Amino acid sequence: SQQGEEDPQALSIQEGENATMNCSYKTSINNLQWYRQNSGRGLVHLILIRSNEREKHSGRLRVTLDTSKKSSSLLITASRAADTASYFCATDSQGGSEKLVFGKGTKLTVNP
Amino acid sequence: DAGVTQSPTHLIKTRGQQVTLRCSPKSGHDTVSWYQQALGQGPQFIFQYYEEEERQRGNFPDRFSGHQFPNYSSELNVNALLLGDSALYLCASIMGGYGYGYTFGSGTRLTVV
Repeated sequence: SQQGEEDPQALSIQEGENATMNCSYKTSINNLQWYRQNSGRGLVHLILIRSNEREKHSGRLRVTLDTSKKSSSLLITASRAADTASYFCATDSQGGSEKLVFGKGTKLTVNP
Repeated sequence: DAGVTQSPTHLIKTRGQQVTLRCSPKSGHDTVSWYQQALGQGPQFIFQYYEEEERQRGNFPDRFSGHQFPNYSSELNVNALLLGDSALYLCASIMGGYGYGYTFGSGTRLTVV
């Protein structure tokens, strides 16, 4: 079963705008990761945030984590047409679980 | 440095048949996980192989089985195919079995008719 939900399910913006996607999860976690998927192909790892971190940056990506609300957000700044993809959050549980539990994803469209 | 390689890329099978999907992990990785992704959904964990043994399994029936070879490559076998098995099957690899930043293959698109 899915761990949680991404919100919104779909997002359409213009090039240069910022895109914000949210993720909620249900159980306590060790880490939360964000992945990108182009056109139903393989997933590309974007960024990982540990449960004891609140914010992390990587290039144009900014991730926040609020463990009290069991939620995370991914901000993509100055978006480009090439950012068009589906974005998924994935969690691994406390206790050293080897599996990742994914949400249903946000489909982002960046219009040129 | 080759990433994760999956074969075949596309496959069409008939209900009741059996299928084998293959995965070669990224160089240096020794752990392989398999995921099923139905259309419009996030990937769902099937199982993980480490040191040639199934280490953890998701909520999938016994029709789904796997194997890991001494060179760390892996196979996913699905018996008695159902229409609902139609999905993208993703293989992911990592070193040491845990955590951070799995490398995913491009997947095998299985269609059951």
